[in-house]
Amino acid sequence: DGGITQSPKYLFRKEGQNVTLSCEQNLNHDAMYWYRQDPGQGLRLIYYSQIVNDFQKGDIAEGYSVSREKKESFPLTVTSAQKNPTAFYLCASSMTPYEQYFGPGTRLTVT
Amino acid sequence: SQQGEEDPQALSIQEGENATMNCSYKTSINNLQWYRQNSGRGLVHLILIRSNEREKHSGRLRVTLDTSKKSSSLLITASRAADTASYFCATDAGSSYKLIFGSGTRLLVRP
Repeated sequence: DGGITQSPKYLFRKEGQNVTLSCEQNLNHDAMYWYRQDPGQGLRLIYYSQIVNDFQKGDIAEGYSVSREKKESFPLTVTSAQKNPTAFYLCASSMTPYEQYFGPGTRLTVT
Repeated sequence: SQQGEEDPQALSIQEGENATMNCSYKTSINNLQWYRQNSGRGLVHLILIRSNEREKHSGRLRVTLDTSKKSSSLLITASRAADTASYFCATDAGSSYKLIFGSGTRLLVRP
């Protein structure tokens, strides 16, 4: 069953803690992406990676970090430097630069 | 501000009616895509239209693109309750791997 998995679906953390969100794909896609979505809003790009061991900042990278050590995996760390981390986080992947396939998302709540 | 902006922000129609939503963008694009998001889920790719295309069909979906007006429309014909979702346009803004999403149209189809 091919696709993108994100875990966990819901995540709760205390303020000041770093937290890592998982994203795995078995679609053999080269490119992977992380987006943030706030209530009633569209998606904003945090980081993207076109190839293993390479990634670029998106529009709102401050307070976030990523790694791309394997083609299948693109974990996102929300650091304590991120001022408003509570949001819905979506991971996506694509073979071409066009159509992106999305995971089910992780809802992060920081209190 | 975001590249793509959808209009209207919310739309409520009766099952069987047609639903039209619009997207405007600011800069030149290579292509424009439409995605659907069911509540609390990831996005699903619906259709991509290239900048040299004016109209494209996929099942009950019809997309038009007017590059002179920097706008696109998505028409869903004979709507069903299952079409209830948020619909987003996304443009590449000249950079193929980066997509810029609008804030979306929330469609409610009443049975």
